[in-house]
Amino acid sequence: QLQLQESGSGVVKPSQTLSLTCGVAGGSINSGGYSWNWIRQAAGQGLEWIGYIYQSGNTYYNPSLKSRVIISIDTSETQFSLTLRSVTAADTAVYYCARGAERSFDIWGRGTMVTVSS
Amino acid sequence: DIQMTQSPSSLSASVGDRVTITCRASQTISNYLNWYQQKPGKAPKLLIYAASSLQSGVPSRFSGSGSGTDFTLTINNLQPEDIATYFCQQSYTTPYSFGQGTNLEIK
Repeated sequence: QLQLQESGSGVVKPSQTLSLTCGVAGGSINSGGYSWNWIRQAAGQGLEWIGYIYQSGNTYYNPSLKSRVIISIDTSETQFSLTLRSVTAADTAVYYCARGAERSFDIWGRGTMVTVSS
Repeated sequence: DIQMTQSPSSLSASVGDRVTITCRASQTISNYLNWYQQKPGKAPKLLIYAASSLQSGVPSRFSGSGSGTDFTLTINNLQPEDIATYFCQQSYTTPYSFGQGTNLEIK
């Protein structure tokens, strides 16, 4: 059974860069047809889709974050990553990675809390 | 961007009840509508995809319907373990977007 696990910086200072990695276990990140997504959720708030990447390297980002976001993939390490530049308190959230299949998010990581604070 | 609006934002129901949650899209999205269940401190879980297809392993008391702009999630014979927040999500076009959530409580 495929599993996803987020890891990375839990506390980031304002104006600095947030970096997270999603490890893929129990399956292949190279399987065609799936997208690999980042989604976040601020405390007590709804869900915001950040963007996706395919095994080919093709990406699409939410325009609301596009100027600050990079999603990359390392197929040899079976992981994909999120980089978010110039963070502010508004970027404080639980960050989830998720697999996209049949145009839905069918497998999610447990999520990792990122706090932007000096 | 497509806006997703859920109603109600919260509801309380009794065990055994039938519960209905609605989701409206700001423009037509065909049947590209998914439903998720999120329990406190947990990641969302996919329940329904493509408006009415039940995800593998999800109890059959969950069902979805609708197309175009109006969609419904129905829970028949509500169980205590169904206490959660439910989100709809459109996958018709990027940027993908979610409803604000419906918080379901047991009376």
